[in-house]
Amino acid sequence: DAGVTQSPTHLIKTRGQQVTLRCSPKSGHDTVSWYQQALGQGPQFIFQYYEEEERQRGNFPDRFSGHQFPNYSSELNVNALLLGDSALYLCASSPGGGRNTIYFGEGSWLTVV
Amino acid sequence: GENVEQHPSTLSVQEGDSAVIKCTYSDSASNYFPWYKQELGKRPQLIIDIRSNVGEKKDQRIAVTLNKTAKHFSLHITETQPEDSAVYFCAATSYGQNFVFGPGTRLSVLP
Repeated sequence: DAGVTQSPTHLIKTRGQQVTLRCSPKSGHDTVSWYQQALGQGPQFIFQYYEEEERQRGNFPDRFSGHQFPNYSSELNVNALLLGDSALYLCASSPGGGRNTIYFGEGSWLTVV
Repeated sequence: GENVEQHPSTLSVQEGDSAVIKCTYSDSASNYFPWYKQELGKRPQLIIDIRSNVGEKKDQRIAVTLNKTAKHFSLHITETQPEDSAVYFCAATSYGQNFVFGPGTRLSVLP
């Protein structure tokens, strides 16, 4: 049984570009959350998707957007990249509409130059 | 919204000694408190959790205590081993809400 999988694992983008990160939740999980983890800090909540809709959103600008597909997989899109967007982007999934603990994927390391 | 503080930010202990990490939270509605361990370059992994209807939970060398009145909870690791060296994050959440994480504690277990 595969856990939460994310792709790509590492990527380098130029300031102003756009990036798409992908996540497949753990089997049986229907809720996907995205977190940003800057170096030396704890994960910061970006948003959560359930039933293909954004259910909650953290304090992130509209440049951050997402999508959930019918198979529960999800994408995180970031437009107009800034140097400060460089971070580890973690996808977390949970069962039961998000009313349980969350399990993280290995993350996507984004470097903006 | 919820705010989670965590102390200390770094902790060094001798192998075999105990380690204690403390967190405080602000939202009295929070009712679930997990702890995650993150090794260098890896994902955070759940090591133990506690719900608000329980005051203490233990799993082998790891235990968590919760004081709802004071709004703080602690992670206790006994008989520390080198493989316990990592960054530990506490988090707080309430039913159906997002997880709010503390800033992390870097634990070093010295041989």
